[in-house]
Amino acid sequence: DSGVTQTPKHLITATGQRVTLRCSPRSGDLSVYWYQQSLDQGLQFLIQYYNGEERAKGNILERFSAQQFPDLHSELNLSSLELGDSALYFCASSVGSSGTDTQYFGPGTRLTVL
Amino acid sequence: GQNIDQPTEMTATEGAIVQINCTYQTSGFNGLFWYQQHAGEAPTFLSYNVLDGLEEKGRFSSFLSRSKGYSYLLLKELQMKDSASYLCAVGAGKSTFGDGTTLTVKP
Repeated sequence: DSGVTQTPKHLITATGQRVTLRCSPRSGDLSVYWYQQSLDQGLQFLIQYYNGEERAKGNILERFSAQQFPDLHSELNLSSLELGDSALYFCASSVGSSGTDTQYFGPGTRLTVL
Repeated sequence: GQNIDQPTEMTATEGAIVQINCTYQTSGFNGLFWYQQHAGEAPTFLSYNVLDGLEEKGRFSSFLSRSKGYSYLLLKELQMKDSASYLCAVGAGKSTFGDGTTLTVKP
């Protein structure tokens, strides 16, 4: 158990809908990262927050947005969902904001768009 | 930009040794990570190298050469449970992950 929690574990929805994925980092970690992993593909970095502020942005679509709240939990919002958005979405957390910190991953949310 | 290359698949025999290579070209470098990911599960941290040389941790070792942009993960005394994907990640402001090497351990 990494100490990072994600909810829900599974999510099934229809095209055009909007969903929110939630992540709680490990106690003491200030950074939260979001990744997308499609079937048989690598981890695609979406976005990083550090202590409530956006720190780095990857290949995140305009239909996707995220935020980190004062209690450090984070939410990833996916809107106007398409079939291709079906994937595992992982959240990770680390102590600091640089690339030198080990990231601890949550169990992921499996999103299926029908 | 960031470019990380790893072999897509490898197969090895239980009890053997396997080396998984990773080459990278990045605009910055703050260290190199290896993660293990079993199918459908979250990646878990294996090792971190920031200086050149070999880091040993039980059956797993990781090597780094910064001048060559090269790392490898060495797995000894392979067990069936080592069948997984192994991800190389470079930390340079934000970590960039390679696509992973799927290792299959056969009896």
